[in-house]
This record gives sequence, structure tokens and C-alpha cells, in this order.
Amino acid sequence: AQSVTQPDIHITVSEGASLELRCNYSYGATPYLFWYVQSPGQGLQLLLKYFSGDTLVQGIKGFEAEFKRSQSSFNLRKPSVHWSDAAEYFCAVGAWGEKLTFGTGTRLTIIP
Amino acid sequence: GAVVSQHPSRVICKSGTSVKIECRSLDFQATTMFWYRQFPKKSLMLMATSNEGSKATYEQGVEKDKFLINHASLTLSTLTVTSAHPEDSSFYICSARDTGMNTEAFFGQGTRLTVV
Repeated sequence: AQSVTQPDIHITVSEGASLELRCNYSYGATPYLFWYVQSPGQGLQLLLKYFSGDTLVQGIKGFEAEFKRSQSSFNLRKPSVHWSDAAEYFCAVGAWGEKLTFGTGTRLTIIP
Repeated sequence: GAVVSQHPSRVICKSGTSVKIECRSLDFQATTMFWYRQFPKKSLMLMATSNEGSKATYEQGVEKDKFLINHASLTLSTLTVTSAHPEDSSFYICSARDTGMNTEAFFGQGTRLTVV
């Protein structure tokens, strides 16, 4: 069975500081990996995705993520966070044409 | 990018009544749509997979007679919460998967259901 673990429930960083959100997955085949962001009361917005190829993927809003097969990880990073990045972040794994399995999410708080 | 429209965004209903939530893919055809439920401060849990022209596939523990899903066309799926109870209050989100090579699932903006 596929699963996603986001070990950090809540992270607080200062504006302008770097950010890394962790994601570990369990999947029986080559995974399709996603990061989504959710603002309060809103739906999900796709930040980036990995299907194949270059293991470092670039997304919107200055985010990037690196797929590490040996560690079963797909961590999200941003070199300098902005106050508008405060939100809930979800990592997800799936396959073509199938459902997505989401992690429990990491809530990001930005302090001035 | 592709747009998925979910309606309504918020709904309040009385206990015992039914409420319908619509999920539309506006600029692409989606033979498959997914319905998720998100509990407060929790992740999204898949409720069911909806396939156009056939019966939905429900996840274990989801009452199919309570959460009726209809996928009558390639651009519309509906979720009806029947005989709603306060414990059904939640955030419901649909997603539609493009049937082309792109496997991205496009999400609607969600529906906040409050049963009073």
C-alpha cells in the first residue's frame, strides 16, 4: 500500500529564511510525487510535481523539490520565504490515472 | 492550466436534509474524478473515485448510500450528502484528472459543508 509521511506537523520560520519541508513516501513502483499548498478555507494549488527525469524539480512561487529514490524522499525547499507562504503544505503520491495519497500536511507559520 | 469548478463553496443545511455538491471540469474532459474529505487540521482522505458512465468506487468505510456520487458526463460529477448530520460537516474537495498524458489532478476550490 502506498503512504506518505510528513514528519513535521508545524514549522515556524522567519521571513527571509530558508525552508525545507520533509516528505517520505512508500510506493511499490516508480512514484509520481506532488506538493500542494492550501490556504485557509481554500482548495489545493499544485506547487510542483515529479514524474521522471531530473530529480530536482522547479515549481511555482520559487519552490523546488528533490526526489531521492534511495531515501524515498521528496523534500520541498525554498531559499527565502515570504509572509505570503504561510499555509498548509501537502505532499502526495500517486500513479497515472489513479488516486492520490496525501500526507497529513505541514502547517507553515512565518514570523516577521 | 486546467480549471475545475466546485459549487457551492459554502453551504449550511439542516440535519436530515440532503445537499448536492457539483464538480465541473471547465476546459478538459475528465473520465475520472475523485472526491476527498478533509477533517479539521487533517489531511485529505479519498472518499470515492467517480468514473463517467459507471458506478463510483468507494473507499473502505465510506457509506455509499449516504454519499451518492453521480458522474453523468465527462465534465460533471456530483456528490450528494443524504440525510445530513452534524458529523458530516467537513470540507469536501473534488479533483479531476486529465485523460491525456499529463497525470496532474486538478482540484476544485472545495466546499465547506456545515450541518446544523
